Amino acid sequence: QITLKESGPTLVKPTQTLTLTCTFSGFSLSTTGVGVGWIRQPPGKALEWLALISWDDDERYSPSLKSRLRITKDTSKNQVVLKMTNMDPVDTATYFCAHTSSQDFDYWGQGTLVTVSS
Amino acid sequence: NFMLTQPHSVSESPGKTVTISCTGSSGSIASNFVHWYQQRPGSAPTTVIFEDNRRPSEVPDRFSGSIDSSSNSASLTISELKTEDEADYYCQSFDSANHNWVFGGGTKVTVL
Repeated sequence: QITLKESGPTLVKPTQTLTLTCTFSGFSLSTTGVGVGWIRQPPGKALEWLALISWDDDERYSPSLKSRLRITKDTSKNQVVLKMTNMDPVDTATYFCAHTSSQDFDYWGQGTLVTVSS
Repeated sequence: NFMLTQPHSVSESPGKTVTISCTGSSGSIASNFVHWYQQRPGSAPTTVIFEDNRRPSEVPDRFSGSIDSSSNSASLTISELKTEDEADYYCQSFDSANHNWVFGGGTKVTVL
């Protein structure tokens, strides 16, 4: 079955770069049509799509955060990495990674809470 | 950029029916599929409707989805409300023009 799990720091300081890793199983990111996306959710607020990388290395980013994000994949390790630069307290959120094979996200990780504070 | 607007909250009694709207800001909402997720506190979202009106096998048929092109909106209807349906519900679609994924602002469903 498909599973995804996010990992990374729980606390980062303002201006630092956040690096999150999504480790998955049950599918391959080299399969046609498959992608892995990142979505975040500030406490008590809505879901926000951040970025997505596809099987063919196509990268897509939220327009409002594009300058701060970079998504990469390591197909051999079944991992997707998201980097977000210049972190700010407003970036405090639970960060989810999720699988897609069309335009919806059908499998999600449990999420990881990242707090930005000095 | 394309946006999806949902009511902040809806409430209804057990056994009743509730409908949540999801309105597209521009273009035709029918040009891309709309998907609906349920999120309970402390948990990741799960799909209740995908591709406008399709239900995962594990989701009860009390959940249904539809598209209304005249109002450029999608709707999620939950009939025979149960207390376990209390959750946040998010619609999601795809902005073809910019190749972005878009979520609505979420609707909190309260079963009184």
